[in-house]
Amino acid sequence: GQNIDQPTEMTATEGAIVQINCTYQTSGFNGLFWYQQHAGEAPTFLSYNVLDGLEEKGRFSSFLSRSKGYSYLLLKELQMKDSASYLCAAIDSNYQLIWGAGTKLIIKP
Amino acid sequence: ETGVTQTPRHLVMGMTNKKSLKCEQHLGHNAMYWYKQSAKKPLELMFVYNFKEQTENNSVPSRFSPECPNSSHLFLHLHTLQPEDSALYLCASSQDAAGGPSGELFFGEGSRLTVL
Repeated sequence: GQNIDQPTEMTATEGAIVQINCTYQTSGFNGLFWYQQHAGEAPTFLSYNVLDGLEEKGRFSSFLSRSKGYSYLLLKELQMKDSASYLCAAIDSNYQLIWGAGTKLIIKP
Repeated sequence: ETGVTQTPRHLVMGMTNKKSLKCEQHLGHNAMYWYKQSAKKPLELMFVYNFKEQTENNSVPSRFSPECPNSSHLFLHLHTLQPEDSALYLCASSQDAAGGPSGELFFGEGSRLTVL
């Protein structure tokens, strides 16, 4: 079956760096998304990776290793507003999105 | 503001009621989706419409009935729901339904449904 694994919850300190991991098993692969969802709000797009390597976008970076079925989202210089859930979703060979259950990130002062 | 608007934001209904959720996108996208989001579970895709045609129905019970009158509007009609249907219902749109960079989803803020 197809599956996405990501930690349920993580805690980090304001100003620090945190890495949220995501592993996937899918029938084929056509890319991976990361979304951010604040409590009570819509999920919003953060990144899309289809090639191996690191994509940097300001304080947020996303990494992909297709051979390992692995991605991570790296958040630097954490701010209180980064407290949110982070959703990982892989695209399979039929262009279906396979979603993880999300990682709730708690930022402490 | 994501360009996708959902109403109502909150809905409480009894198991014998009939209600509808509405979604409107102002992005000129061709594909629209209904997702169910339950606590600590992955997003569950319910329905996909591409150019107003339903292209996906993920074995959703018939008590959920979608309607897509045009590519900007999507409805989810609800009737004789069960308490386990209580969840956040998210509408989303994308430029097209084929995934990839152009498949980025734009979500509404959701309709929080409680079935008593």
